[in-house]
Amino acid sequence: QQQVKQSPQSLIVQKGGISIINCAYENTAFDYFPWYQQFPGKGPALLIAIRPDVSEKKEGRFTISFNKSAKQFSLHIMDSQPGDSATYFCAASKTGTASKLTFGTGTRLQVTL
Amino acid sequence: DAEITQSPRHKITETGRQVTLACHQTWNHNNMFWYRQDLGHGLRLIHYSYGVHDTNKGEVSDGYSVSRSNTEDLPLTLESAASSQTSVYFCASSEKHEQFFGPGTRLTVL
Repeated sequence: QQQVKQSPQSLIVQKGGISIINCAYENTAFDYFPWYQQFPGKGPALLIAIRPDVSEKKEGRFTISFNKSAKQFSLHIMDSQPGDSATYFCAASKTGTASKLTFGTGTRLQVTL
Repeated sequence: DAEITQSPRHKITETGRQVTLACHQTWNHNNMFWYRQDLGHGLRLIHYSYGVHDTNKGEVSDGYSVSRSNTEDLPLTLESAASSQTSVYFCASSEKHEQFFGPGTRLTVL
């Protein structure tokens, strides 16, 4: 049973465009929603995270939008750059589980010139 | 600087052999995790530990074991390697919510 569903599997965006990756979760007990970024040959690294008490969080060109009623959250990358080309994973966890994360299946983003 | 390391980075083994992948962190984190990464499946949790002598099964634990004798290390053992265990393995550690990942071990089982 996949508790966090992520789409699309892959995405090609032109430089300067907006990249959007979507995730949906099933477990209403989840209360922490991070996005991880992974470059080829490297381990994932935390990019940005949100809690359900806010509907949006922005850090530079990266924004998480959160819709608690729909149980969905998304990552928007504004002004996408070739250096953003990577695999992005959404994840979710709940308080009291000592940061045990459930990951989505990943989105491979390619930003073209 | 604190870090998390994995060794070996690449390993080729034969079906039926026992294999141990090492994970070492200098963050002094209590929580440690092992994941496998496969195309189309993302990161799947194999085992995790919340402290010394504590271990727990994740969603894909069959055929794997871990032990935690100190804070810094969580070795992952494949008791009898199978071709289905060919994958990239990542170790991670955390104190609160953010997990810090190692560079990964690419394991091929022939």
